[in-house]
Amino acid sequence: GENVEQHPSTLSVQEGDSAVIKCTYSDSASNYFPWYKQELGKRPQLIIDIRSNVGEKKDQRIAVTLNKTAKHFSLHITETQPEDSAVYFCAAQYSGGGADGLTFGKGTHLIIQP
Amino acid sequence: DVKVTQSSRYLVKRTGEKVFLECVQDMDHENMFWYRQDPGLGLRLIYFSYDVKMKEKGDIPEGYSVSREKKERFSLILESASTNQTSMYLCASSFLTGSTGELFFGEGSRLTVL
Repeated sequence: GENVEQHPSTLSVQEGDSAVIKCTYSDSASNYFPWYKQELGKRPQLIIDIRSNVGEKKDQRIAVTLNKTAKHFSLHITETQPEDSAVYFCAAQYSGGGADGLTFGKGTHLIIQP
Repeated sequence: DVKVTQSSRYLVKRTGEKVFLECVQDMDHENMFWYRQDPGLGLRLIYFSYDVKMKEKGDIPEGYSVSREKKERFSLILESASTNQTSMYLCASSFLTGSTGELFFGEGSRLTVL
């Protein structure tokens, strides 16, 4: 099955700086890579996703890049703000047939220092 | 607005008890999932279902079973609860069988087994 590794487990950055979280996956057939954000005490919510026919996707201050050859993808947050403090999960999935659950990374606790 | 509702936010059970965790979604989604969330381990898939009465094992199905008698309802069953099943349980749903799509999570059910 798929295995997703996520680094770092904790990331502390100054408000206004950029944050980068990296993930690698094992199954070369995976073709869908979402990122979820979970604020303290709340449910995970999708913030951005990318499919394997695209190398980069941006949405305001967040962007995701995908390198299929190296089997890794990254989340970039620019101009970090206090509300970016949360746990972020990357995930990978193969959508070739049937409904499979996402395989998640272990999560990154992002701390924005004032 | 998609709503995924988990019947109990907090439960305390004793070792050996049978435990039912209920999840209802109101968006007519085909796919429903049960994940377990533990610190440092991320979100791990227990079971999923892509149709009524259909179920598929996820990555950690041992000690669990599920039931999907109606499209909107997906139940997780612990036949004989054990202390290592103390965890946060998250239900999720998504649209479209055989495809990728956003997971909508419930608020979670925190189970403590004494």
